[in-house]
Amino acid sequence: KNEVEQSPQNLTAQEGEFITINCSYSVGISALHWLQQHPGGGIVSLFMLSSGKKKHGRLIATINIQEKHSSLHITASHPRDSAVYICAVGSTDKLIFGTGTRLQVFP
Amino acid sequence: EAGVAQSPRYKIIEKRQSVAFWCNPISGHATLYWYQQILGQGPKLLIQFQNNGVVDDSQLPKDRFSAERLKGVDSTLKIQPAKLEDSAVYLCASSLDRRRAQETQYFGPGTRLLVL
Repeated sequence: KNEVEQSPQNLTAQEGEFITINCSYSVGISALHWLQQHPGGGIVSLFMLSSGKKKHGRLIATINIQEKHSSLHITASHPRDSAVYICAVGSTDKLIFGTGTRLQVFP
Repeated sequence: EAGVAQSPRYKIIEKRQSVAFWCNPISGHATLYWYQQILGQGPKLLIQFQNNGVVDDSQLPKDRFSAERLKGVDSTLKIQPAKLEDSAVYLCASSLDRRRAQETQYFGPGTRLLVL
């Protein structure tokens, strides 16, 4: 079993829909990261959080430390949000990555 | 602020050939990471440097992979000889200081390697 599990693996949505991507982990962490990877591009850090909730534009990230679970929400999704979203947990000075959720938003 | 630079962006080689990748981290970042990302998977840490010292190379296939960061700034990752299963994107990332908790890593654009 992977230490970081994401669901769903693939997600399609119509423009404007509310999107949720989930991440569960089984190790002790110092922080959880949500990353975005566009096709052919590098990885961009969206959020780093260790408790509660953070919001940036249309993106919201929440974490429940007791349940070892985090969610990434995208409100009013847009085709430019199409990318792979990766959850990574910081544990003992290294990041452990999930396999990513591939999101496609259609106009 | 300039980001993490990597070159080349793409490389196609035949199996058993050698290849080298270069990374220039963000200025002032003490920690540098090399990751391997196989298609459909999350990145896997190959090696982590703190300045010019190796912190973690436990997942580096040392029979064929080597990496150095001689002056604590730029780094090179080499594969010699390459195998078909080495086809992947090689990502370089840097952060200010691994000893701080909750450190953000900044990623380069990656080098896409195809071994034929």
